Amino acid sequence: KAGVTQTPRYLIKTRGQQVTLSCSPISGHRSVSWYQQTPGQGLQFLFEYFSETQRNKGNFPGRFSGRQFSNSRSEMNVSTLELGDSALYLCASSLAGQNYNEQFFGPGTRLTVL
Amino acid sequence: DQQVKQNSPSLSVQEGRISILNCDYTNSMFDYFLWYKKYPAEGPTFLISISSIKDKNEDGRFTVFLNKSAKHLSLHIVPSQPGDSAVYFCAASARNYGQNFVFGPGTRLSVLP
Repeated sequence: KAGVTQTPRYLIKTRGQQVTLSCSPISGHRSVSWYQQTPGQGLQFLFEYFSETQRNKGNFPGRFSGRQFSNSRSEMNVSTLELGDSALYLCASSLAGQNYNEQFFGPGTRLTVL
Repeated sequence: DQQVKQNSPSLSVQEGRISILNCDYTNSMFDYFLWYKKYPAEGPTFLISISSIKDKNEDGRFTVFLNKSAKHLSLHIVPSQPGDSAVYFCAASARNYGQNFVFGPGTRLSVLP
């Protein structure tokens, strides 16, 4: 079974630009979560999508948005990029449902904002 | 305010000895905990989990202990191997949070040959 894939793996943008990151979950997984990882901060939860609906949201400004398609693939968008948005963005998929399920992470997209 | 804390940013252990990674949490609503391992340039990999109805869960060389009254959990790796060198993240969730896991900042484990 193919794992979680994220594209692109690396991205360099300048302040003020916008960026779109893509995540393809493991086949059959309906929940996709996004995290931001910065040095010393661990993984900060951005949002979770399930059945094309945002089900949970972390404490990030409205510049961070996402969506999920009918095939469970998800995209994350960051508008008006700031230097502090430089981070590793990780996507994780899980079976979801009523019980807890471990999340399976992709390799991440390394975003550098200059 | 960090709800999940890993107070040791790094830990060095000799090969063959026990590694003990600690994690503390503040939210008493958390009832499910996981440990992830992360190598450079890769996403975190699920290692082991524990529900709040248990105080211990074992999987091969990895054992997680949960002390609910102290809001503390620990991951024991025995014996430690050089391939265990990675960053370890503790994560917690509550039933109302769905798939929203709160992660700690991570502990970098180095297992020395």
